[in-house]
Amino acid sequence: DGGITQSPKYLFRKEGQNVTLSCEQNLNHDAMYWYRQDPGQGLRLIYYSQIVNDFQKGDIAEGYSVSREKKESFPLTVTSAQKNPTAFYLCASFTDRREAFFGQGTRLTVV
Amino acid sequence: AQTVTQSQPEMSVQEAETVTLSCTYDTSESDYYLFWYKQPPSRQMILVIRQEAYKQQNATENRFSVNFQKAAKSFSLKISDSQLGDAAMYFCAYRSPSYNTDKLIFGTGTRLQVFP
Repeated sequence: DGGITQSPKYLFRKEGQNVTLSCEQNLNHDAMYWYRQDPGQGLRLIYYSQIVNDFQKGDIAEGYSVSREKKESFPLTVTSAQKNPTAFYLCASFTDRREAFFGQGTRLTVV
Repeated sequence: AQTVTQSQPEMSVQEAETVTLSCTYDTSESDYYLFWYKQPPSRQMILVIRQEAYKQQNATENRFSVNFQKAAKSFSLKISDSQLGDAAMYFCAYRSPSYNTDKLIFGTGTRLQVFP
């Protein structure tokens, strides 16, 4: 079955560590996006990529980095520069009709 | 820049009744896409309904329908015959058709409770 897989489901990070969240899709979608969700703030865009080897900063890119070496994969690295990384992270890919399909999310907690 | 506003943080409805969730947006574009997404307790985001701005006819998907008022920049979601499984967070979202500004912008969400 086609879909988007995010891993891990839960992730714990120590202060000062970088961590990478995985996002893989087998839907053959060109566009992939990363969102951060905090209580009461909806979803905020971190980074997005319309095509392989190209990506753009979203509204809250500071402290995050991404790569897009393959169409299927769009990993997000949360660096130590991100001061408040505890949040729920959602990855999405987009159909030609501009509808977003979402992964099941990763809950990141700083310990 | 485009913005999406959901002014109802929480709503409640009795099972089998009808409820309407509000959404307004701000844009200078004439062509765009609007969506409603549902996020149940599992936190999986699910597309409920989609509307293209150039279409005057309101979109409908089974018990879900929208009232799209382009001039007023309003995009409300009506849920008919509410079911317990409809309880979730609902997000309104806007998407530009332009490649250069191709972002999906979300409102802050409305939490819907359904009472038996």
